[in-house]
Amino acid sequence: DQQVKQNSPSLSVQEGRISILNCDYTNSMFDYFLWYKKYPAEGPTFLISISSIKDKNEDGRFTVFLNKSAKHLSLHIVPSQPGDSAVYFCAASADNQGGKLIFGQGTELSVKP
Amino acid sequence: GAGVSQSPRYKVAKRGQDVALRCDPISGHVSLFWYQQALGQGPEFLTYFQNEAQLDKSGLPSDRFFAERPEGSVSTLKIQRTQQEDSAVYLCASSSENYGYTFGSGTRLTVV
Repeated sequence: DQQVKQNSPSLSVQEGRISILNCDYTNSMFDYFLWYKKYPAEGPTFLISISSIKDKNEDGRFTVFLNKSAKHLSLHIVPSQPGDSAVYFCAASADNQGGKLIFGQGTELSVKP
Repeated sequence: GAGVSQSPRYKVAKRGQDVALRCDPISGHVSLFWYQQALGQGPEFLTYFQNEAQLDKSGLPSDRFFAERPEGSVSTLKIQRTQQEDSAVYLCASSSENYGYTFGSGTRLTVV
C-alpha cells in the first residue's frame, strides 16, 4: 500500500524553464510534507516543507503547493538550473508518528543546458 | 561531528553472513532513524530511537533485523543471516526536533 506516490519516474527540462514535480498521497492523517533532493552516493538533503494548514510555501527558486482536497502536492523550480539535476523525493508525516517519514518513489530530474 | 556519519560505506556479504552497520549521529541530536532504500525506490522506515529508547520498530522487515543505541548516541543496525533481498542502501538520519532531519550518506549492502 503506497501511501505516497510519485507517478513520474523521470522528468527532463530545459535550463531556465520551470520544473514541476508532482506527488499524491492517500492518508488524510498526514499533516506535514517535505521535499528532499538526492545526488548519487549521497544521502537525501532537505529542500522545502509545508504544513497542512498552508497551501503554499516559497523559498527562493523553490515553491511547494499543497492541495488537501485532492491530496496532491507539487514542487516548482523556477528557473531550473543544471545543478538541480538529481532525484527528488516527496515525503509525508503524521503528527502522531514521532517524526517517521513516508517517502514516494522519487522523480529523477534532468535539467539540460 | 558536522554531519551524520555512516560506516562502512559499502559492504558485500555472503548469504547467511551477519552484518553490522554503524551510524554516528550529529552530536546532541536526540532522535535517530534508520531507513532502507531499495534500488529505484524511496527510503522506507525501519526504526526510530529517542535517546536510547527504541520507540518504533514497526518497519523492521523480520526478526533478523535488530537495532540498538545503548548510550543514546551511536547506533548499530544488525542483520543476521543476510538474504539477497536485504541488498539495499541503509540510511541513518538524526534530528534535534521531529522534522529537522539530517541524513547520512548511507551504507550500500550487497548480499551475494
